[in-house]
Amino acid sequence: EVQLLESGGGLVQPGGSLRLSCSASGFTFSNYAMHWVRQAPGKGLEHVSAITGSGGSTYYADSVKGRFTISRDNSKNTLYFQMSSLKAEDTAVYYCVRLDTLTGYLYWGQGTLVTVSS
Amino acid sequence: EIVLTQSPGTLSLSPGERATLSCRASQSVSSSYLAWYQQKPGQAPRLLIYGASSRATGIPDRFSGSGSGTDFTLTISGLEPEDFAVYFCQHYGSSPRTFGQGTKVEIK
Repeated sequence: EVQLLESGGGLVQPGGSLRLSCSASGFTFSNYAMHWVRQAPGKGLEHVSAITGSGGSTYYADSVKGRFTISRDNSKNTLYFQMSSLKAEDTAVYYCVRLDTLTGYLYWGQGTLVTVSS
Repeated sequence: EIVLTQSPGTLSLSPGERATLSCRASQSVSSSYLAWYQQKPGQAPRLLIYGASSRATGIPDRFSGSGSGTDFTLTISGLEPEDFAVYFCQHYGSSPRTFGQGTKVEIK
């Protein structure tokens, strides 16, 4: 059974940093691109970052470029999201998602809430 | 970047009625990479339809997707109580994998 389990969310002050982790199981982690999708309270879904299976290529939305870094450790089956210079508008539930080429986002984590507030 | 616009914003219907949700793209989207998701409060989205018209595993056949080019539709043929939720379309062929803003299907 495919499972994605995020951790690391919490309350952080503006300008602060946080690292999210996503522990994956039930599939060969290195075979899949992994993405981060966020959802601000009461809002829609935003694709913010992606990384290929090897980790050799990444994508960032303009809203997070230069502040956030996606990475992965295939030996630990874990995806990371290092968030720095956090702003109030980064407040959201962050989902770890596996990209399946044919079907899209079939598997989602349960989400972890990041709140940026003083 | 492909912008997806969903309509209506809210759909008020009664159980048993047919729901028709629209997703319009700012440029042509390959039908192979258009998906629909359902989201209920406090839950992660759930994949319903991929490739514009293929149902994901375990999705009831009252859900159907259609369309091509820039116009796509999700139809729920007879609303069940558990279908009242928010629905998002998404293109997933290349980054950014943008989503529509969502359509809320609420009980009338």
